[in-house]
Amino acid sequence: GAVVSQHPSWVICKSGTSVKIECRSLDFQATTMFWYRQFPKQSLMLMATSNEGSKATYEQGVEKDKFLINHASLTLSTLTVTSAHPEDSSFYICSARDWGYTFGSGTRLTVV
Amino acid sequence: TQLLEQSPQFLSIQEGENLTVYCNSSSVFSSLQWYRQEPGEGPVLLVTVVTGGEVKKLKRLTFQFGDARKDSSLHITAAQPGDTGLYLCAGVGSQGGKLIFGQGTELSVKP
Repeated sequence: GAVVSQHPSWVICKSGTSVKIECRSLDFQATTMFWYRQFPKQSLMLMATSNEGSKATYEQGVEKDKFLINHASLTLSTLTVTSAHPEDSSFYICSARDWGYTFGSGTRLTVV
Repeated sequence: TQLLEQSPQFLSIQEGENLTVYCNSSSVFSSLQWYRQEPGEGPVLLVTVVTGGEVKKLKRLTFQFGDARKDSSLHITAAQPGDTGLYLCAGVGSQGGKLIFGQGTELSVKP
């Protein structure tokens, strides 16, 4: 079946630095990928839709200058959290659409 | 904006009990999906329901899609500790194929 690889699985960074998270579709091409954020004991909140070769579409309330998304190829989308702060600490999950929706294993970001 | 209301949000039961989780919306969805998520991992698809009134069974789990395709339910029979986890319903939005999630149900099954 379809596999989505997400890296890193966890990262700790200092406040003010930037962190890049990668999402790769391993055995299929994904023109559309989705980025979610999840707080403990809560559901997934869609942050943005990543479209290959074009600008991402951000959900209301999500700062596009803070959460930079690049979808430069049919198998790779990246999310960069710029100038991270402790309130950005969360679990970030990507998803790619093939016949269905396949999710990565998530990235636990801790900003100290 | 299409929303999915999932209830209950938290459920703690004893092993062997039955339970039902509900997912409701005022909007029609072409399909609804149910996922289960373990801590620190991505959600894993359990089932997709497509046809109004459809019932699907997965071992002790029974999924139903409402006739009007606005609601769905997940029923677990004789719950076991291994069923513990976060259960999520999700539907494909009408714009851009976005997958919209309900609030989730945190299930704890105690031995």
